[in-house]
Amino acid sequence: AIWMTQSPSLLSASTGDRVTISCRMSQGISSYLAWYQQKPGKAPELLIYAASTLQSGVPSRFSGSGSGTDFTLTISCLQSEDFATYYCQQYYSFPWTFGQGTKVEIK
Amino acid sequence: EVQLVESGGGLVKPGGSLRLSCAASGFTFSSYSMNWVRQAPGKGLEWVSSISSSSSYIYYADSVKGRFTISRDNAKNSLYLQMNSLRAEDTAVYYCARDGSSSPGLYYFDYWGQGTLVTVSS
Repeated sequence: AIWMTQSPSLLSASTGDRVTISCRMSQGISSYLAWYQQKPGKAPELLIYAASTLQSGVPSRFSGSGSGTDFTLTISCLQSEDFATYYCQQYYSFPWTFGQGTKVEIK
Repeated sequence: EVQLVESGGGLVKPGGSLRLSCAASGFTFSSYSMNWVRQAPGKGLEWVSSISSSSSYIYYADSVKGRFTISRDNAKNSLYLQMNSLRAEDTAVYYCARDGSSSPGLYYFDYWGQGTLVTVSS
């Protein structure tokens, strides 16, 4: 199985900040990586797939980059509605696995 | 509009069984792989099982293999998860999720249901 290390686990930030979340793989996965946002009590929502492709309807302040083993989710200008937990997921090989999650909280 | 609605969750004793259903609408169900993902209380996401559009390919996480069975009925636009020999560690919200790509599947998840809570406790 592919192990994923997502960091940080907790990120304190203010509205308007630029934030980055990292996801590192135990082996190369090309660009088979997705990012999700989850708010309390809600189902996750897809933000990005193929490492950098923005899902339809997702604001352009979200962006993804990376390939191989190192990936990054960037929120360019944090909005109030962006305070949530974010997960990466690899779909390069079975079993599909998620990162541990990064909670973005208000500073 | 894509909609996924899970049902069938509830309280069950250890060793018991439960069958989850997911009713799909708003897309051509028979063209997409489908998936179950769970989330234990206060924990992260865990992929559980996937089934290809024609049921030719089925995958399970090691944690549920041999106990859970995924199936689908394309005529009824429905996905199922039969859960047997349930354990306390199976307690979680179970989400039905559509594959992000029509057949063949890629196994990322673009639409999710609201989830159904399964509690395994005596």
